[in-house]
Amino acid sequence: TQLLEQSPQFLSIQEGENLTVYCNSSSVFSSLQWYRQEPGEGPVLLVTVVTGGEVKKLKRLTFQFGDARKDSSLHITAAQPGDTGLYLCAGLGPGDGLTFGKGTHLIIQP
Amino acid sequence: EPEVTQTPSHQVTQMGQEVILRCVPISNHLYFYWYRQILGQKVEFLVSFYNNEISEKSEIFDDQFSVERPDGSNFTLKIRSTKLEDSAMYFCASSFYGELFFGEGSRLTVL
Repeated sequence: TQLLEQSPQFLSIQEGENLTVYCNSSSVFSSLQWYRQEPGEGPVLLVTVVTGGEVKKLKRLTFQFGDARKDSSLHITAAQPGDTGLYLCAGLGPGDGLTFGKGTHLIIQP
Repeated sequence: EPEVTQTPSHQVTQMGQEVILRCVPISNHLYFYWYRQILGQKVEFLVSFYNNEISEKSEIFDDQFSVERPDGSNFTLKIRSTKLEDSAMYFCASSFYGELFFGEGSRLTVL
């Protein structure tokens, strides 16, 4: 069974601070996706990383895929209250289904 | 912007009843999925569907579950005889290749 461990589970910081959340697994994935989920809604895709060592930037969010394609990180620069939410990582492969982590609950306080 | 739509948004049913959850995937997508999320737990894969047949299913997707694409636009999940533990948010997703787009979910409450 493939597992994705996300850390920290909860994070509360002040507006303007930087943060990094992690997604780790003992398994190799063909790609890894980061989602954001609001309460009562479906996950919304933020980014997909495919190549080991790949770095993608989405405004103040930087996503990195580990060289061995087993882990990933999400770094947010100058966090804002609008960044508050549940951040999920999900690995794809070897089959069709995504394996989700439990997520990191992020709260940015004004 | 195209989106995946799901109905109903919330359904309450008695244990043992049949439930059908409906999804309209994004129109040019080829792959369709159902996931579920029990309250407070992680999102779990149920089934994937491609070319009018199931391509993969998880251990959760037992004989009580079935999927269908009856008319080329809708994609349905049927639970034949619901159990209390089927209470969850059920998410439909579709993709063209690789990147999944999720609907807002159908909350199923089994009493």
